[in-house]
Amino acid sequence: DVKVTQSSRYLVKRTGEKVFLECVQDMDHENMFWYRQDPGLGLRLIYFSYDVKMKEKGDIPEGYSVSREKKERFSLILESASTNQTSMYLCASTLAGELFFGEGSRLTVL
Amino acid sequence: GENVEQHPSTLSVQEGDSAVIKCTYSDSASNYFPWYKQELGKGPQLIIDIRSNVGEKKDQRIAVTLNKTAKHFSLHITETQPEDSAVYFCAADVYNFNKFYFGSGTKLNVKP
Repeated sequence: DVKVTQSSRYLVKRTGEKVFLECVQDMDHENMFWYRQDPGLGLRLIYFSYDVKMKEKGDIPEGYSVSREKKERFSLILESASTNQTSMYLCASTLAGELFFGEGSRLTVL
Repeated sequence: GENVEQHPSTLSVQEGDSAVIKCTYSDSASNYFPWYKQELGKGPQLIIDIRSNVGEKKDQRIAVTLNKTAKHFSLHITETQPEDSAVYFCAADVYNFNKFYFGSGTKLNVKP
């Protein structure tokens, strides 16, 4: 069975903190994604990676960076968290056009 | 880039009724249109998809239709059941291009 695991389901951080969101997939997929989900806005792509150490900006990359040192792991980094980054973050990987999502990380920035 | 609009944002139906969710897209290059279902506390999961060389696709109680000329596609759920209650997202993409532009989501509530 396909599995995408996000290490933290709920996080509460303070403004200015550096935040790491970790995602691991066990399917040997090459492509991995980070989406942000907000009510009424759907899913918006932050960054994606099509290979180890490769990354491309999505539609809303500002304030975020990513790291992909190993094929199975894709990390989202908030260099200096701000309150407008309070959101649900979803990691995904793809095979043959289908996205497989993790359960999400709900981040609250105070 | 692609712009996907989805309506309605909320939909409430009685168990056994049909539900229809509609999406439009802007980029004529898009040729792959998946639908995802997100249950409470879970990530979205693919339920059905259609490519632009096909006008309609069915899978049991779920069907998707595509009108390339008008650039719109719809999800049809027949004989709705309480377990169909969830948030549904449409998306558009160039197949295997991996950009996946999503609609804003429809919260479907099926009343028993």
